[in-house]
Amino acid sequence: DAGVTQSPTHLIKTRGQQVTLRCSPKSGHDTVSWYQQALGQGPQFIFQYYEEEERQRGNFPDRFSGHQFPNYSSELNVNALLLGDSALYLCASSAQQGAGDTQYFGPGTRLTVL
Amino acid sequence: KQEVTQIPAALSVPEGENLVLNCSFTDSAIYNLQWFRQDPGKGLTSLLLIQSSQREQTSGRLNASLDKSSGRSTLYIAASQPGDSATYLCAVRRPETSGSRLTFGEGTQLTVNP
Repeated sequence: DAGVTQSPTHLIKTRGQQVTLRCSPKSGHDTVSWYQQALGQGPQFIFQYYEEEERQRGNFPDRFSGHQFPNYSSELNVNALLLGDSALYLCASSAQQGAGDTQYFGPGTRLTVL
Repeated sequence: KQEVTQIPAALSVPEGENLVLNCSFTDSAIYNLQWFRQDPGKGLTSLLLIQSSQREQTSGRLNASLDKSSGRSTLYIAASQPGDSATYLCAVRRPETSGSRLTFGEGTQLTVNP
């Protein structure tokens, strides 16, 4: 049973560019959450998708957007990249109906903005 | 606004020592609390999840306790090993009606010396 997968593993972009990160949830999970983790800090919640809709959003600007597909996989898009967007981006999946279930995290995508 | 604090920020111990990591949160209205392990540059691995109605959870050499009324949790690691070296993060989940968003502390970086 594959866990949460993310692609790409690493990404280097320049300021002003746009980036798309991808996540496939663990089998049986229908909810995907995205987190940003700057170096030396804890992950910060970006948003959560369930039934192809954004259900919750953290304190991130509109440059951060997402999408969830019918197969529950998800994309995170960041426009007009800033140096401060450099971070590890983590995807977590869970089952909406299993409210007490553990959230499972993927290995992350390391984004570097030059 | 929920805030999560972890003390100490870093800890270095000799192999074999028992140790305690601390986590505190400002809003006691939580659904559950989860402890994670993170190796450098990697994703998060869930260690233990404690529901708000529980007092503690155990897995092998790990024991996590929860005192919701005082806003505190501890992770006890028995007979530490060099392989336990990692960053340990605690995260609280808001009540069920607010979705499964996690609020993280900044972590405790543990080094176990042979």
